[in-house]
Amino acid sequence: AQSVSQHNHHVILSEAASLELGCNYSYGGTVNLFWYVQYPGQHLQLLLKYFSGDPLVKGIKGFEAEFIKSKFSFNLRKPSVQWSDTAEYFCAVNAGTGRRALTFGSGTRLQVQP
Amino acid sequence: DAGVTQSPTHLIKTRGQHVTLRCSPISGHKSVSWYQQVLGQGPQFIFQYYEKEERGRGNFPDRFSARQFPNYSSELNVNALLLGDSALYLCASSPAGHDGYTFGSGTRLTVV
Repeated sequence: AQSVSQHNHHVILSEAASLELGCNYSYGGTVNLFWYVQYPGQHLQLLLKYFSGDPLVKGIKGFEAEFIKSKFSFNLRKPSVQWSDTAEYFCAVNAGTGRRALTFGSGTRLQVQP
Repeated sequence: DAGVTQSPTHLIKTRGQHVTLRCSPISGHKSVSWYQQVLGQGPQFIFQYYEKEERGRGNFPDRFSARQFPNYSSELNVNALLLGDSALYLCASSPAGHDGYTFGSGTRLTVV
């Protein structure tokens, strides 16, 4: 069974700092990769997804992620964070073939200080 | 354009009771999945349905069951509620079950 690890549980940054959140998965075959964001009191929203092609994926709100197959990683990045980026970020994967459920990491809580 | 809608938004139940949660997917989406999110953790997969058939089941006891209706809406049922069932229950819909998921706002279930 696949698993997803998010190493940073709680990250505190100042506005304009750069962000990188780690995500590693365990599955040797074809994977689809996702980053979701959950703002306080709101539902999960898709930031970006990778299915195939260019391993550097650009998402909404200036976020991007890079798929490195050899490292089983899909790290999320943003060059300059804003206070409004304060939220919980979840990495998720579905793997194999056919209709597949998402396996989520435990999440990273990002707190951006003004 | 309506997103994924879930009802009710909040629910308080007593141990041993039964609960039914409802989900309406985005129009045109044929797959619905259910997830349980306990505070401080990522969502855990419970069920996936596609074209009214169960296509996947997570590691949850038989007290949990679900179904999908001809209009692709879905119900999640939980019997004999335990305190540990207190969580946010999320419904997600996708066009075909593997190509991107849109989540609803969830139902907050509290078992007392």
